[in-house]
Order: sequence, then C-alpha cells, then structure tokens
Amino acid sequence: SQTIHQWPATLVQPVGSPLSLECTVEGTSNPNLYWYRQAAGRGLQLLFYSVGIGQISSEVPQNLSASRPQDRQFILSSKKLLLSDSGFYLCASTSTGTYEQYFGPGTRLTVT
Amino acid sequence: AQSVSQHNHHVILSEAASLELGCNYSYGGTVNLFWYVQYPGQHLQLLLKYFSGDPLVKGIKGFEAEFIKSKFSFNLRKPSVQWSDTAEYFCAVNPRGSYIPTFGRGTSLIVHP
Repeated sequence: SQTIHQWPATLVQPVGSPLSLECTVEGTSNPNLYWYRQAAGRGLQLLFYSVGIGQISSEVPQNLSASRPQDRQFILSSKKLLLSDSGFYLCASTSTGTYEQYFGPGTRLTVT
Repeated sequence: AQSVSQHNHHVILSEAASLELGCNYSYGGTVNLFWYVQYPGQHLQLLLKYFSGDPLVKGIKGFEAEFIKSKFSFNLRKPSVQWSDTAEYFCAVNPRGSYIPTFGRGTSLIVHP
C-alpha cells in the first residue's frame, strides 16, 4: 500500500508571507496526486490534482498554486498568504487505474 | 456537478447501539462509492468501497454499506458500535471513469462507553 508523507505538520505564518507545503508518496509509481483543504463541518474541498509530472489542474480559484516537480512529489505554494488560507491541508494519492485514495497526515496552517 | 449529502452531521450513541449514517448523491450515471474514516489523531483511511456487483459491501471493523441505486444512496451501517468507533466519517463519490471524487461534509460520531 501507499504511504503519504507531508511536512510540516503545523505551520504558523504571518499574512503576506510565502508558503510551501510538501507531499511525497511511497509505494506506487505515476500516482494521481491531490491537495485538499479540510474545514470542520465542511468536508474536503479539492484544491488541485495532478495526473503526471508538470500536469496540474486547479479546481478552485484562489491564492494558492501547486507544482509537481517529480513523479511522487507534490507541492502547494503561495506567494502571499491571506488570513483565509488558514486551514488543514491534506495530500492524497491514487495509484494508476484505481480510485481509492490514500491520505497523508495533513498540515495545520495558521495565518496570523 | 455532482454533490454528496450527509444528513447527519453529529451523531452521539452509547456502546452497543446500532448505527446508520446516510449518504445521498446527485449524479445520473454510474458511480464508484466510498466511505472513509478519520479516527482522532489519525489519517483519513478507506473504510469500504463499492464499484459493482453485490450492493451490500462489507468493510473493516464490522461496517457495511448498502448501495440503493433507485435512491442514489450509500448508507453506512454497523449493528453494534464500540467506543473505538468514535471518528469522523466521510462519504465520497466518483463518476465511473473519473479520478476526481466529491466528498460529503462528514459526520462526527461520538460513542459513549
């Protein structure tokens, strides 16, 4: 099975500062990769997904961007954080040809 | 776009009570259906899934779910809950052939010992 690593686990950043959250995947090749934001009582909001290196689709227009520099690496970034970017960010992966998702432990981001 | 509704946002039960969590989706085509669970302090993980075949599927820890196509539902059940079932439960739906799931808002289950 797959293992998803995310770091950092928690992050406190001031408004206007940049952001970089990293996700790496073990146990599979050429996965589909996803970034979600999880808000209490609101489920999982899909932010970005990627079917291959350099291929990124954005689901929600926002202050964030994503990149996939390597097959099993997915990065969530921002040039200037907003207060509204605070939240819990989850990375997920599916193996090629499968649909069930494997999730990472998440990053709790607080923008102050 | 499809949507997924989980009508029970918070459920509180005593141990040994029976559980049923509702999940309805809006999509007219063929779907893949999932329930995921997030135990306190742990990763989201797959509880069970339905792709085709027998509409009653069994998952880990005694959970089962029934796909009723005519009702666009995929309700989660467990005959007798335990304190360790305290968690948040998410229903998710993929249109067949799509790798993009839609998640419900989640149901927080608290089981009192």
